[in-house]
Amino acid sequence: EDQVTQSPEALRLQEGESSSLNCSYTVSGLRGLFWYRQDPGKGPEFLFTLYSAGEEKEKERLKATLTKKESFLHITAPKPEDSATYLCAVRNGRGGADGLTFGKGTHLIIQP
Amino acid sequence: DVKVTQSSRYLVKRTGEKVFLECVQDMDHENMFWYRQDPGLGLRLIYFSYDVKMKEKGDIPEGYSVSREKKERFSLILESASTNQTSMYLCASLPRVAGATSYEQYFGPGTRLTVT
Repeated sequence: EDQVTQSPEALRLQEGESSSLNCSYTVSGLRGLFWYRQDPGKGPEFLFTLYSAGEEKEKERLKATLTKKESFLHITAPKPEDSATYLCAVRNGRGGADGLTFGKGTHLIIQP
Repeated sequence: DVKVTQSSRYLVKRTGEKVFLECVQDMDHENMFWYRQDPGLGLRLIYFSYDVKMKEKGDIPEGYSVSREKKERFSLILESASTNQTSMYLCASLPRVAGATSYEQYFGPGTRLTVT
């Protein structure tokens, strides 16, 4: 059974204080690891897809990296508008358009 | 921009009622999904559909059914609502999967269902 574990569950940072969120996964035949951002009362919004170990993607203050066992979402010099819940998900190797297996998320708060 | 809309943002139903949650996407996507999201449990896949009239069970299909009569519309049905189905329900769509290069699911805003 596919498993995705995110840590920490919650993280409070000061504006400008860089940190990393962790996503460890167990899946048979990884066919993609995904990061989403979710604001309160809204659906998740896609951020990144990573497919192979060593791959990195960047978007503004966010950078996602992937190893064979885990992924990190690095946040550099965050701003209050980066406050959200960050979700990690994997797609397994079953093929076709099956859904994603999500972690429980990291609730990030950036204080001014 | 892709738009996924859900019929209601908030819904309150009584135990035993039949409940319909509707989802519509405007980008001609072949694949559509229903998830529920609960505190401490995250998002869990209920059902998905890869074509009109086609459906596949996800991880937690018990107590639910789905209908996809038109490509743009995917309905989630609670045959007899129960209190443990109180949750946030999220719909998502995805264009036809082509190799490993695109798998960005587009989510709707969610329907918060309360069953009393």
